[in-house]
Amino acid sequence: GAVVSQHPSRVICKSGTSVKIECRSLDFQATTMFWYRQFPKQSLMLMATSNEGSKATYEQGVEKDKFLINHASLTLSTLTVTSAHPEDSSFYICSARLAASYEQYFGPGTRLTVT
Amino acid sequence: LAKTTQPISMDSYEGQEVNITCSHNNIATNDYITWYQQFPSQGPRFIIQGYKTKVTNEVASLFIPADRKSSTLSLPRVSLSDTAVYYCLVGGYNTDKLIFGTGTRLQVFP
Repeated sequence: GAVVSQHPSRVICKSGTSVKIECRSLDFQATTMFWYRQFPKQSLMLMATSNEGSKATYEQGVEKDKFLINHASLTLSTLTVTSAHPEDSSFYICSARLAASYEQYFGPGTRLTVT
Repeated sequence: LAKTTQPISMDSYEGQEVNITCSHNNIATNDYITWYQQFPSQGPRFIIQGYKTKVTNEVASLFIPADRKSSTLSLPRVSLSDTAVYYCLVGGYNTDKLIFGTGTRLQVFP
């Protein structure tokens, strides 16, 4: 089946620094990737939709200058949390949709802790 | 985007059949219904997807009535390892985004 990977699986950074999270579709091409954030005991919250070669579309309330998304190829999207603060500590999950289909696959998630 | 409503939590015992129903009254004509399973600190895992009537795979069945305003995920003979959160989502084709609802937290007891 289709596999989506994320790197790193967990990261600890200091307040004020930036962190980059990678999302890769390993065995298929994904024209669209999605980024979600999940706080403990809560559901996944969609942050942005990323289309290859174009600017990401952010959900209401998500700061696009703080959460930079780049989708440079059909298999890679990156999320950079800039000037991270403790309240940005969360579980970040990406997903990738098979082109021209209903099928969407999720990565294993990245645990970000900002100290 | 269709909003989904599910029970917040359910309890069951090993070996029992579990049915989780999801309401999606505003489902659009081109929307599919997809169910995911999520364990703590992991990404959601695809369980089953359908458009209408009944779909069955090796782990679950999905029942969708003719009006498609609801769907029921059926897990036969659950085990302790089925303890997880189950999400019902409706969405369309290609670039359409999936919005997660609250999900159903299933607890299976020995």
